[in-house]
Amino acid sequence: GQSLEQPSEVTAVEGAIVQINCTYQTSGFYGLSWYQQHDGGAPTFLSYNALDGLEETGRFSSFLSRSDSYGYLLLQELQMKDSASYFCAVLDQTGANNLFFGTGTRLTVIP
Amino acid sequence: GAVVSQHPSRVICKSGTSVKIECRSLDFQATTMFWYRQFPKQSLMLMATSNEGSKATYEQGVEKDKFLINHASLTLSTLTVTSAHPEDSSFYICSARVSADTQYFGPGTRLTVL
Repeated sequence: GQSLEQPSEVTAVEGAIVQINCTYQTSGFYGLSWYQQHDGGAPTFLSYNALDGLEETGRFSSFLSRSDSYGYLLLQELQMKDSASYFCAVLDQTGANNLFFGTGTRLTVIP
Repeated sequence: GAVVSQHPSRVICKSGTSVKIECRSLDFQATTMFWYRQFPKQSLMLMATSNEGSKATYEQGVEKDKFLINHASLTLSTLTVTSAHPEDSSFYICSARVSADTQYFGPGTRLTVL
């Protein structure tokens, strides 16, 4: 089976940097994705890591260490609109390359 | 980018009735679509994998006779919640596979069973 753990809540100040960690256990790891979800909305894709290292996309960066079964999402220059839930998701290689989501981290950005 | 739609966006039904939710890929063909369920303030739970032209693959604990999935074409998958009960009230989200490592999500359907 799959297991992904994230902090449940994080609060940060506008303009600051925040890191959301994700540890995972899975039988057939293919890659780690990050999604953002605002209340009542659908998840939107942020980033994907298949290999170790840092991937940067604008204000968002994502890191993966396969040997540690660990990754993180780094959000820089926080804006109020970044307040949302953030999910890491493992792409599982067993079966149909399914996505299994972490527990989610609720980020609140304060002025 | 790829667009996935869902219909309806919200539905309220009486206990015991069946509800059909449609998931469409609007500008691409999707041989594989996925159905998720999300309870308030919780994560997305994969319910099943829908494959065009074949039977869906259900995750452990998901009743296939209650959640009927049909993927009759390369752009449409449907989820029918049969004999719905209040505990089935949830946010149902579909996604369509674009490539081996990319899925695009629909906007979700809020189901409320009275």
